[in-house]
Amino acid sequence: AQTVTQSQPEMSVQEAETVTLSCTYDTSESDYYLFWYKQPPSRQMILVIRQEAYKQQNATENRFSVNFQKAAKSFSLKISDSQLGDAAMYFCAYRSAGSQGNLIFGKGTKLSVKP
Amino acid sequence: GAGVSQTPSNKVTEKGKYVELRCDPISGHTALYWYRQSLGQGPEFLIYFQGTGAADDSGLPNDRFFAVRPEGSVSTLKIQRTERGDSAVYLCASRLTASDPEEQFFGPGTRLTVL
Repeated sequence: AQTVTQSQPEMSVQEAETVTLSCTYDTSESDYYLFWYKQPPSRQMILVIRQEAYKQQNATENRFSVNFQKAAKSFSLKISDSQLGDAAMYFCAYRSAGSQGNLIFGKGTKLSVKP
Repeated sequence: GAGVSQTPSNKVTEKGKYVELRCDPISGHTALYWYRQSLGQGPEFLIYFQGTGAADDSGLPNDRFFAVRPEGSVSTLKIQRTERGDSAVYLCASRLTASDPEEQFFGPGTRLTVL
């Protein structure tokens, strides 16, 4: 079975600075997808960024980028130029490729942004 | 267009009571997922519908939990004889199809509190 581990329960960053959230996963599959979701107090899960395992190039979405290390089974999220609106819970998630599509989530990291 | 909606937003019930939680997916989305998010945890998969049928209910914790999607659109998660341990946020997500690279879109969840 696949597992996702987020070892940082809480992180803090100064506004405009850069922060990196860590995620590791365990799988025996070769083809899969990895995601970072943001969950603000409103509870709505918002997709931040996704990475296909077959792609070597790290995904980037504006201020958000990932460091995907397939051999190490590591998938960290870097947030640049942090903004107050980035404060939220961040969840790393895994999905098998070609499957029915249910996601496997880590326990989350609570990110605080200091003005 | 309208996103995934869930009602009620919050539900408080007493131990032993029956509850129904409703999910309205994005129009045209054939795949629908239910997740349960306990306090301090990431969401955990409960059940997946493809159309009207429950294609995978392996995440349902026991036979007190049941879900239906009779017309392939709205889904209802039903919990009988509620227990305090059922207290959690119940998230619903829909997907255009269950095929990659389609993504899941989440609703805001229903917070269930069992007293």
